[in-house]
Amino acid sequence: DAKTTQPTSMDCAEGRAANLPCNHSTISGNEYVYWYRQIHSQGPQYIIHGLKNNETNEMASLIITEDRKSSTLILPHATLRDTAVYYCIVRVGNSNSGYALNFGKGTSLLVTP
Amino acid sequence: GAVVSQHPSWVICKSGTSVKIECRSLDFQATTMFWYRQFPKQSLMLMATSNEGSKATYEQGVEKDKFLINHASLTLSTLTVTSAHPEDSSFYICSATIHTGSSYEQYFGPGTRLTVT
Repeated sequence: DAKTTQPTSMDCAEGRAANLPCNHSTISGNEYVYWYRQIHSQGPQYIIHGLKNNETNEMASLIITEDRKSSTLILPHATLRDTAVYYCIVRVGNSNSGYALNFGKGTSLLVTP
Repeated sequence: GAVVSQHPSWVICKSGTSVKIECRSLDFQATTMFWYRQFPKQSLMLMATSNEGSKATYEQGVEKDKFLINHASLTLSTLTVTSAHPEDSSFYICSATIHTGSSYEQYFGPGTRLTVT
């Protein structure tokens, strides 16, 4: 799986958009970009994933650059409950058995009042 | 979305005893489940891959005789920590994979906090 690079930590004011970047310059053509988050003392929560097109769901938007070497997770209106560690993970998506996720250090997002 | 449960959510046991942790996929069948471990202020580390009806595959450095994994059905995998020691105290998290048509998504349980005294 391609390696990802994320900032260690970020702050965001409540109500503002939180933009979390991720670099994955060695991504292969069949690798997806996945985002998960982990709120303190809970299991990771799936947020969104994409291959090359931008994606949006009820939680967030995922913007993938045209060359696919980086992406940005956008939480449009951050709330205090969005404070968590956010993990950007690149891996083959359409595998036969579903490979385990390789969690890096992630970005610790702090949403402030 | 898909729901994965774990039981118990936390457990305290004495050194030398064994502890069993259950992981269930509540509304879907999961051929593959994964077990992770997370120490304080660290990221999740994969311990083993569990496939229904077959032996688990353990990551390097994880003792298969100490961490027994059983995946007896498509909705249940168990992790038994045998002869637990204080250094086994950790947050244990399982996940289950579901195929969504174009890709696979993993859903995680809420985790089990194990404290060995």
